[in-house]
Amino acid sequence: KQEVTQIPAALSVPEGENLVLNCSFTDSAIYNLQWFRQDPGKGLTSLLLIQSSQREQTSGRLNASLDKSSGRSTLYIAASQPGDSATYLCAVDPQGGSEKLVFGKGTKLTVNP
Amino acid sequence: NAGVTQTPKFQVLKTGQSMTLQCAQDMNHEYMSWYRQDPGMGLRLIHYSVGAGITDQGEVPNGYNVSRSTTEDFPLRLLSAAPSQTSVYFCASRGRDGAYGYTFGSGTRLTVV
Repeated sequence: KQEVTQIPAALSVPEGENLVLNCSFTDSAIYNLQWFRQDPGKGLTSLLLIQSSQREQTSGRLNASLDKSSGRSTLYIAASQPGDSATYLCAVDPQGGSEKLVFGKGTKLTVNP
Repeated sequence: NAGVTQTPKFQVLKTGQSMTLQCAQDMNHEYMSWYRQDPGMGLRLIHYSVGAGITDQGEVPNGYNVSRSTTEDFPLRLLSAAPSQTSVYFCASRGRDGAYGYTFGSGTRLTVV
């Protein structure tokens, strides 16, 4: 059974700091991995999608990497801003067409001005 | 705007009442799914569908019914609401090839009293 873990559960940093959020998964047979952002009381916004054949994806100040063999992904946020404060969720789309996206419980990020 | 539309955004039910949460997408996605999000539990899959006329159970299906008569719509029915069904419900969809990952709706916040 695929399990996804995100550490730390919460992170507080000063504005301007570069930071890394971690995601680990137990089964390396994945189709892709997706990072989402969720603001309080809101829905999930997709940030980055990494296909299983890819090693990383970039969007603006965000960079996500994927190491399938070790079951790890990281989300790097450069020059953090207070507007980056949110919960970041990692989700694995398992291989084999199971259509069952498996989520971690998220990292709650607070960027202090 | 293109995407996944959920209605209503908020709902209060009395124990024993029934209701339908609506979900519609206009991206011609084959895969659609329903998740519930609870504090400390993360996102859990309720039901999913791989195409019109095809549905299957997820991790927490009890107390919920689904049907998929069209590609666009995937309603979730609560048969007899219970306080344990108080949660935030999200609908999601993705194309068959998964190239762009999942798109989520903005959620329905349901309270059962």
